[in-house]
Amino acid sequence: QVQLQESGPGLVKASETLSLTCSVSGGSISSYYWNWIRQPPGKGLEWIGHIYHSGSTNYNPSLKSRVTISVDTSKNQFSLKLSSVTAADTALYYCARRIDWLGHIDSWGQGTLVTVSS
Amino acid sequence: QSALTQPPSASGSPGQSVTISCTGTSSDVGSYNYVSWYQQHPGKAPKLMIYEVSKRPSGVPDRFSGTKSGNTASLTVSGLQAEDEADYYCSSYAGSNNLIFGGGTKLTVL
Repeated sequence: QVQLQESGPGLVKASETLSLTCSVSGGSISSYYWNWIRQPPGKGLEWIGHIYHSGSTNYNPSLKSRVTISVDTSKNQFSLKLSSVTAADTALYYCARRIDWLGHIDSWGQGTLVTVSS
Repeated sequence: QSALTQPPSASGSPGQSVTISCTGTSSDVGSYNYVSWYQQHPGKAPKLMIYEVSKRPSGVPDRFSGTKSGNTASLTVSGLQAEDEADYYCSSYAGSNNLIFGGGTKLTVL
């Protein structure tokens, strides 16, 4: 049973870069597609992007200019960087696994709340 | 890409059936049989309930079923139980390796 755990600062200043890491245990990261998804307080889910173990990435067009997702297979981790953050980026950030680039998410982390302060 | 459209709320009494719709476009729901449904209880991560329009993962009760017609997918919960009260989100492959979610529906068991 794969497990995912997000980690990173819970508070980021406006205009700075949000950085989070997802640690994967119980399975290898060298397969599947690894995703970041966020959920503003009281609102719905938004897909941020994904990375394959090879390093190939795809991003939500609305965030593409500010997002970078990277993978470290030696540590079984993948990471998110979101630049030039504003209050609108305050959200619960989930890391998650997808079987392939088309389909469903079958495993989720517990989520980590990131608040952007002014 | 815009979010898929779901009704903000739905409700039903225990034992009844309720259907939640998820409307997209011919570029997402209408073009691909990769619609999924997730259940989210307060303070918890989403849980996969339906994938590829109508398939149920192991462990999900057969009270949950999914269908699709044109640009609209639907989730039906039959024999409502108190534990079904939660937020439900649909998602769809949207082409160009993108994933899109619905705005979510709050299901209340009366």
